[in-house]
Amino acid sequence: DAGVTQSPTHLIKTRGQHVTLRCSPISGHKSVSWYQQVLGQGPQFIFQYYEKEERGRGNFPDRFSARQFPNYSSELNVNALLLGDSALYLCASSLDDKYEQFFGPGTRLTVL
Amino acid sequence: GDSVTQMEGPVTLSEEAFLTINCTYTATGYPSLFWYVQYPGEGLQLLLKATKADDKGSNKGFEATYRKETTSFHLEKGSVQVSDSAVYFCALSARGAQKLVFGQGTRLTINP
Repeated sequence: DAGVTQSPTHLIKTRGQHVTLRCSPISGHKSVSWYQQVLGQGPQFIFQYYEKEERGRGNFPDRFSARQFPNYSSELNVNALLLGDSALYLCASSLDDKYEQFFGPGTRLTVL
Repeated sequence: GDSVTQMEGPVTLSEEAFLTINCTYTATGYPSLFWYVQYPGEGLQLLLKATKADDKGSNKGFEATYRKETTSFHLEKGSVQVSDSAVYFCALSARGAQKLVFGQGTRLTINP
């Protein structure tokens, strides 16, 4: 079975631009979470979605937004990119909002 | 708020050495505790977990025991291999929640 997939793998943007990151959960999984991992640090929770509804939001500015589609895939959007947004963005899926999370390989975003 | 503190890295050991990576946590209530591993260029993989006090999680020769009295969840392995070289993250999730709170990670290098 395919694991969590994320696209693109790598992305380079300039300050002020907008970016959309995509995540496809494991088949049958209805919950998707997003994490930001800055180089040398542990992942930080951004959002959790379950059954297309936001279930949790971390301490990130409103420039960060996300949504979950009827097929349970998800998008993370970041507006007005800053240099500090450069990070590995990880998506994790789980059967529901209480089971173990499985992580994708991440999207490496570089903001110049 | 909830937090996780790991021993500073990097840690360098010879093959077959004994490994300990310290992890302590701060949380209200009774969180679930996890160790994740991240190999170069990959996402996070769950290594082991424990959901209540005195539980021992184990996998691939790694062990960790949930110690409520010392709020610790130290990772141990009796004989490490070169293939264990990776970054290890300790994490917690609050009871009834799925959001993971991670430590800063410990980079482990095993030399042959």
